[in-house]
Amino acid sequence: EVQLVESGGGLVQPGGSLRLSCAASGFIFSKYSMNWVRQAPGKGLEWISYISSSSSAIYYADSVQGRFAISRDNAKNSLYLQMNSLRAEDTAVYYCARYGGYFDLWGRGTLVTVSS
Amino acid sequence: EIVLTQSPGTLSLSPGERATLSCRASQSVSSSYLAWYQQKPGQAPRLLMYGASSRATGIPDRFSGSGSGTDFTLTISRLEPEDFAVYYCQQYGSSYTFGQGTKLEIK
Repeated sequence: EVQLVESGGGLVQPGGSLRLSCAASGFIFSKYSMNWVRQAPGKGLEWISYISSSSSAIYYADSVQGRFAISRDNAKNSLYLQMNSLRAEDTAVYYCARYGGYFDLWGRGTLVTVSS
Repeated sequence: EIVLTQSPGTLSLSPGERATLSCRASQSVSSSYLAWYQQKPGQAPRLLMYGASSRATGIPDRFSGSGSGTDFTLTISRLEPEDFAVYYCQQYGSSYTFGQGTKLEIK
């Protein structure tokens, strides 16, 4: 089955760190660029980061630039998001999404809550 | 950054009716790199349309997309009960931005 499964979310204090993972299966992960998208409670979708298939191109939204780092391990069919200096406004469901020119496959998301 | 504005914010219709959702961009979207997604409560978004007017795999033909430049439309010809959800447009021609969403609710 073609799918993406996120993990690693949870409750973290302001200023803390968290590492999210996204496990891909059912397709050739190494051929696709990938993205992270988040959705704050009751809000819309916000793109936050992109990584090309070979990791040669990486982009971030201004809201996370300098605090978040995207990476991937094609041998493990996995995508990662290292999140540092977390703020209350980073509270959201974080989705990984496959990029086939558009976002054609999404995981179910993992909830990150930043609160003291 | 290209800002996408969706209207209306909420659309109240009955099953069997026609739904028309609008997405307006602050500047021209290159090569009609415009997608539409459907999201139901507690679920991930699902790709409906790409390239403004191409249906994604498995999407029924009651869904259609149109438009170019700065004005785009998603039309659902005859609403089924499962179509009531939130719909987002997204441009992927210059970085990636989403509209704020249109909630399609049962009247």
